[in-house]
Amino acid sequence: AQSVAQPEDQVNVAEGNPLTVKCTYSVSGNPYLFWYVQYPNRGLQFLLKYITGDNLVKGSYGFEAEFNKSQTSFHLKKPSALVSDSALYFCAVRDYNTGGFKTIFGAGTRLFVKA
Amino acid sequence: GAGVSQTPSNKVTEKGKYVELRCDPISGHTALYWYRQSLGQGPEFLIYFQGTGAADDSGLPNDRFFAVRPEGSVSTLKIQRTERGDSAVYLCASSSSGTSGGHNEQFFGPGTRLTVL
Repeated sequence: AQSVAQPEDQVNVAEGNPLTVKCTYSVSGNPYLFWYVQYPNRGLQFLLKYITGDNLVKGSYGFEAEFNKSQTSFHLKKPSALVSDSALYFCAVRDYNTGGFKTIFGAGTRLFVKA
Repeated sequence: GAGVSQTPSNKVTEKGKYVELRCDPISGHTALYWYRQSLGQGPEFLIYFQGTGAADDSGLPNDRFFAVRPEGSVSTLKIQRTERGDSAVYLCASSSSGTSGGHNEQFFGPGTRLTVL
C-alpha cells in the first residue's frame, strides 16, 4: 500500500534562510512524487514533481526537491525563504506500477516564514 | 482560461439527507478526481474518472457515496443518508493525463465545504 509521511506539523524559518520541508514515502512499485501548496483561502496548487531522470527537480517560485530512492524521501527545499512562502505544503505519491491512479497525500506541513 | 470550479461553495444539511456536489473541470481535461479533506489532514482520494468511466473508485468509503461523469466533463458526487462524519471539504481536481500518463499535475478547485448537522 502507498503512504506518505510528513513528520513535521510546522516548520518555522526566518526570511532569507534556507528552508526544508520533509517527506518520506512508501510504495511497493515505483513512485511518482509531487509537492502541492495551499495558500489561505485558495485551492491546492502544484509546485513540482518527480517522474524519472534527474533526482533534483526544480519547480515554481524557486522551490526544488530531491528524490532519494535509498531513503525513500522527497524533501522540499528553497535556498532563501520569503514571507510569502508561508502556507500549507503537501507531499503526494502515486505508485505507477501497482497503485492505479490513486494519489496519496501527506497530512501537510505548515510553513511559517518570519520577517 | 477558467480553472476548476465547484458548486456550491458551502452546503449545510441535516443528518440523513441526500446531497449533490458538482465539479466543472478545466475544458479538455480527461482526468477528474474527487478528494475529501478533513481539518488538519491532507486530501483523501475518493474516485478517479478517465473520460466518462470511473477508472478507480477504491477510495469511496461506502455505498452511500457515488459519483458520475456522464458526458466526460462535469462530475457530480452524490452522498446518500448523510452522516455527521461526512462533514469535510470535498475537493475536485482535473488533469490532462491520459491512460498512459498519470503523472501530470492536478489542478484543484476551491472545494465544497459540507457540514452535516
